[in-house]
Amino acid sequence: DAKTTQPTSMDCAEGRAANLPCNHSTISGNEYVYWYRQIHSQGPQYIIHGLKNNETNEMASLIITEDRKSSTLILPHATLRDTAVYYCIVRVYPNTGNQFYFGTGTSLTVIP
Amino acid sequence: NAGVTQTPKFRVLKTGQSMTLLCAQDMNHEYMYWYRQDPGMGLRLIHYSVGEGTTAKGEVPDGYNVSRLKKQNFLLGLESAAPSQTSVYFCASSWDRNQPQHFGDGTRLSIL
Repeated sequence: DAKTTQPTSMDCAEGRAANLPCNHSTISGNEYVYWYRQIHSQGPQYIIHGLKNNETNEMASLIITEDRKSSTLILPHATLRDTAVYYCIVRVYPNTGNQFYFGTGTSLTVIP
Repeated sequence: NAGVTQTPKFRVLKTGQSMTLLCAQDMNHEYMYWYRQDPGMGLRLIHYSVGEGTTAKGEVPDGYNVSRLKKQNFLLGLESAAPSQTSVYFCASSWDRNQPQHFGDGTRLSIL
């Protein structure tokens, strides 16, 4: 079973908000939701993480549903440099220990 | 402050050869990780370490060994390289299991 489920790809117009959804129905009660992005040929870059409450930083906002089974990453004003693969990550354990399951992510294309 | 540094950046090996990938971090992080990323797939955890002198298996540990003799370094070894190990390898580090991981820029390894 998938640990996280994300759309394979999405498009967003430059200057508009990009809303990237993620389902994580098997998340444990004390585990965080993390978002990373990966621009082609670079290492993944941390964006934001949260447990229960909504979070905001200089890059994005994270909205987590009350039942914690899904979340949405919001890039408020997408730019061309936000074109990347976005990974929604939850921890998976105990069988595999301290493991983050990255999945295949959502390929976001920001269109001029 | 360099963050996470991986060496080498590129390498081509012949089947059966051995090599070691080096990851160094200057953030005094306790946790370190090795991932591999293959085309069309997300990152998969190979091994990780929760502190100096400790190592543990991740999702895809077969064919790899690791060592964490110093807190700042995490080495990934391939004893007998196989074509299936052709991949991009990423190292990451974090303060603890709940804190964001900081990634290096990757090592691109081809095995002929």
